[in-house]
Amino acid sequence: DVKVTQSSRYLVKRTGEKVFLECVQDMDHENMFWYRQDPGLGLRLIYFSYDVKMKEKGDIPEGYSVSREKKERFSLILESASTNQTSMYLCASSPGQPNTEAFFGQGTRLTVV
Amino acid sequence: DAKTTQPPSMDCAEGRAANLPCNHSTISGNEYVYWYRQIHSQGPQYIIHGLKNNETNEMASLIITEDRKSSTLILPHATLRDTAVYYCMGRGAGSYQLTFGKGTKLSVIP
Repeated sequence: DVKVTQSSRYLVKRTGEKVFLECVQDMDHENMFWYRQDPGLGLRLIYFSYDVKMKEKGDIPEGYSVSREKKERFSLILESASTNQTSMYLCASSPGQPNTEAFFGQGTRLTVV
Repeated sequence: DAKTTQPPSMDCAEGRAANLPCNHSTISGNEYVYWYRQIHSQGPQYIIHGLKNNETNEMASLIITEDRKSSTLILPHATLRDTAVYYCMGRGAGSYQLTFGKGTKLSVIP
């Protein structure tokens, strides 16, 4: 069974902390994605990566960075967490060929206090 | 990627067919139509995609109009477990991105 695993289901962090959200996929997929989901705004793409060490900005990259040192792992970094980054964060992966389905993790609900 | 429009919510009686419409009048010739759904507190789940022809799999059928400006996702016998938000999106042939809109919240009523 295909699997995208996010390291935490729930996370509470303080304002100004550096936060790492980890995502691991076991399907040898080339592409990996980070989205955030907020009520009324749907899913918005933060960053995606199409290969190791490669990354592209999505629609809302401000305040975030990413790291992909290994094919199976894609990390989202909040350098200095702020309360407006309280959200549900979803990781996804897909094969390198276009027009293939993406698989999503269960999400990390991050609260910044 | 094409902008899509979906009704914000729909109800369907359990056991009946659920027909979810999507308008994508700006879709280009090489863009596929994708459908995902998101059950509460879970990550989105792929349902089906198509380019021109109608498609069917074990989950649903996808009907795309001949002019490709709209499509309908059909769940033939809706169950309570099909209660979810359903997202329609266009995706270019060479595109790796998925751009989600606000989707349709489908409520299946016993």
